[in-house]
Amino acid sequence: GDSVTQTEGQVTVSESKSLIINCTYSATSIGYPNLFWYVRYPGEGLQLLLKVITAGQKGSSRGFEATYNKEATSFHLQKASVQESDSAVYYCALASSSFSKLVFGQGTSLSVVP
Amino acid sequence: EAAVTQSPRSKVAVTGGKVTLSCHQTNNHDYMYWYRQDTGHGLRLIHYSYVADSTEKGDIPDGYKASRPSQENFSLILELASLSQTAVYFCASRPGLSAETLYFGSGTRLTVL
Repeated sequence: GDSVTQTEGQVTVSESKSLIINCTYSATSIGYPNLFWYVRYPGEGLQLLLKVITAGQKGSSRGFEATYNKEATSFHLQKASVQESDSAVYYCALASSSFSKLVFGQGTSLSVVP
Repeated sequence: EAAVTQSPRSKVAVTGGKVTLSCHQTNNHDYMYWYRQDTGHGLRLIHYSYVADSTEKGDIPDGYKASRPSQENFSLILELASLSQTAVYFCASRPGLSAETLYFGSGTRLTVL
C-alpha cells in the first residue's frame, strides 16, 4: 500500500539556522500522488502548510519550501532561516489513489532554540 | 474558516469500559475522518464518512465503531476500551473529493488504564 516515511522523529535547530526535514513516499496505487505538508502547533489541530500536485514543481508557504521529486520519490521540507515560532510537529502526507483519504508520515517534532 | 471541534479534550477510561469521542463541524463539509496517532507513528485512519448515516472503514477499524447521525456530527465509539487504544485521536473534515485540504480538530488524548 501507500506509505510515507519521515526519518527524523525530533529535530532541534538554533534560531536563524537552516532546516531540512526529510520525507520519502511509496505510492503503489497511483503513479504520481499529490503531496502535502501539514503542521501542528502546540495545542492546535493539524493545518495545511503547503501542497504540490504536479511532479517536479515546488510549493512554498510561510518561508517553507518543498519540491516534488518523482525520481527520488521525495518531498523534503526546507527553510533557510527558522524562528522560534516555527516550533511544531510537521507531517508529510500523500493523497491515496481514491483521494478519499490521506496517508501520513509519523511526524517530525521541530524545536527551535535561541 | 473551517471549524472542527472535538470533545472531550482528554479522557481517562478504564479497560473494558465504553468510550465515545465526539466531533462537530460547522462548515457543511461532506467528508469526515477519524485518525489516531501513537508515538512514533503517523496518523492512521480508523473510519471515515462522506454522507450522513453512512460510515466507511479505514485502515485500522478493529475495536472501533463510528456514527454519523448528521452532516455536522461524527462520533467514534470504543465499546470495550483496551490499553492498546491509548492514543491521541484527531477528527477532520473536508468539503469533497475535489478539495484535498483536511481541516482538523485539536485532538482528544485518550488514556486507557
